[in-house]
Amino acid sequence: EIVLTQSPGTLSLSPGERATLSCRASQSVSSSSLAWYQHKPGQAPRLLIYDASTRATGIPDRFSGSGSGTDFTLTISRLEPEDFAVYYCQQYGSSPRTFGQGTKLEIK
Amino acid sequence: EVQLVESGGGVVRPGGSLRLSCAASGFTFDDYGMNWVRQAPGKGLEWVSGINWNGATTGYADSVKGRFTISRDNAKNSLYLQMNSLRAEDTALYHCARASDYDSSTYYSGWGQGTLVTVSS
Repeated sequence: EIVLTQSPGTLSLSPGERATLSCRASQSVSSSSLAWYQHKPGQAPRLLIYDASTRATGIPDRFSGSGSGTDFTLTISRLEPEDFAVYYCQQYGSSPRTFGQGTKLEIK
Repeated sequence: EVQLVESGGGVVRPGGSLRLSCAASGFTFDDYGMNWVRQAPGKGLEWVSGINWNGATTGYADSVKGRFTISRDNAKNSLYLQMNSLRAEDTALYHCARASDYDSSTYYSGWGQGTLVTVSS
């Protein structure tokens, strides 16, 4: 099973700042099969990025994903108030599909 | 717009059973694989089970194998999760999630808000 480790656990930033979230895999993720999700309390999780760097439909271009192999990054270029949430990475290149433990992005 | 609405959660004693349902709308249900993903209190997301578009292929997390059964009824646009021999550690919010294509083993392009299962004596 591929273990995904996200860092930091909590990130405190202000609106307008740049956020960089990391996801490290215990072994190489095949075909860059990595997705990022945004999750707010009481809401359904929302797909942001798939295949490591492809934005999902309707996702603003301030969200970008990069990386390959074992190291992946989600970048939010300029934080908007609605971006404060928990972010999860997920690998779907091998079974079982696994998630990271999440990064909480909070307002500073 | 993809809509997924879960139901069937509740409080059950250890060893008991529950059947979760997920009603899908806004897309052609039998074009997509489907999954159940859960979130225990204060924890992250955990994949539970997946099923391909026609129900021929299913998969389970080791933690639920032999106790949970996933199924679907394409005529009713519905996904199900039969949960038997429930344990305290199964307590979680259970989300229904649509895969990105006919297989279930991809990323999840639509999610429901979840239904809460509490296993407690």
